[in-house]
Amino acid sequence: GQNIDQPTEMTATEGAIVQINCTYQTSGFNGLFWYQQHAGEAPTFLSYNVLDGLEEKGRFSSFLSRSKGYSYLLLKELQMKDSASYLCAVGVTGGGNKLTFGTGTQLKVEL
Amino acid sequence: DADVTQTPRNRITKTGKRIMLECSQTKGHDRMYWYRQDPGLGLRLIYYSFDVKDINKGEISDGYSVSRQAQAKFSLSLESAIPNQTALYFCATSDSRVARTSYEQYFGPGTRLTVT
Repeated sequence: GQNIDQPTEMTATEGAIVQINCTYQTSGFNGLFWYQQHAGEAPTFLSYNVLDGLEEKGRFSSFLSRSKGYSYLLLKELQMKDSASYLCAVGVTGGGNKLTFGTGTQLKVEL
Repeated sequence: DADVTQTPRNRITKTGKRIMLECSQTKGHDRMYWYRQDPGLGLRLIYYSFDVKDINKGEISDGYSVSRQAQAKFSLSLESAIPNQTALYFCATSDSRVARTSYEQYFGPGTRLTVT
């Protein structure tokens, strides 16, 4: 089975940097995904890591350590519009290109 | 135009009623998924489909059924709705032909269903 843990809530200040952690235990690991979801809207893809290391995409970066079952999403130069839920998801082999999602981290960006 | 559309966007129905949620996509993806999202529980997979002839149960399929009418259309039915099926429902697609991004899923805007 799969188990994904991430903090429920975080608060950060506009302009700052925030790191959202995700730990996972899974069989058949095939990639770690981060999605952003604003309240009442669809999740949108942010990043994908299948190999260890850091992937950078603008203000967002994502890191993966497969041996530790650990990932983080780093958001720099926070903006008010970054207030959203951030979903960690694990790709699982064994049919269907399925993703197993964590419960999400609600990030609140304050002035 | 949106690549993945869902209808209706909002629906209120009564216990015991049959209801169908529809999903259409213009992305040309072969795989489609239905999720429900509840506060504190995250996204949970209901059913998924590899193609028109291949449909599979997800982790919470009881009380639901699906139909893949065409590659572009995937419908979710609640045969006899109950209040604990009140949730936000999302359809998603992915393209298995692109190895690096075959797990990347694209979501529709969601259907908010309330069962009274």
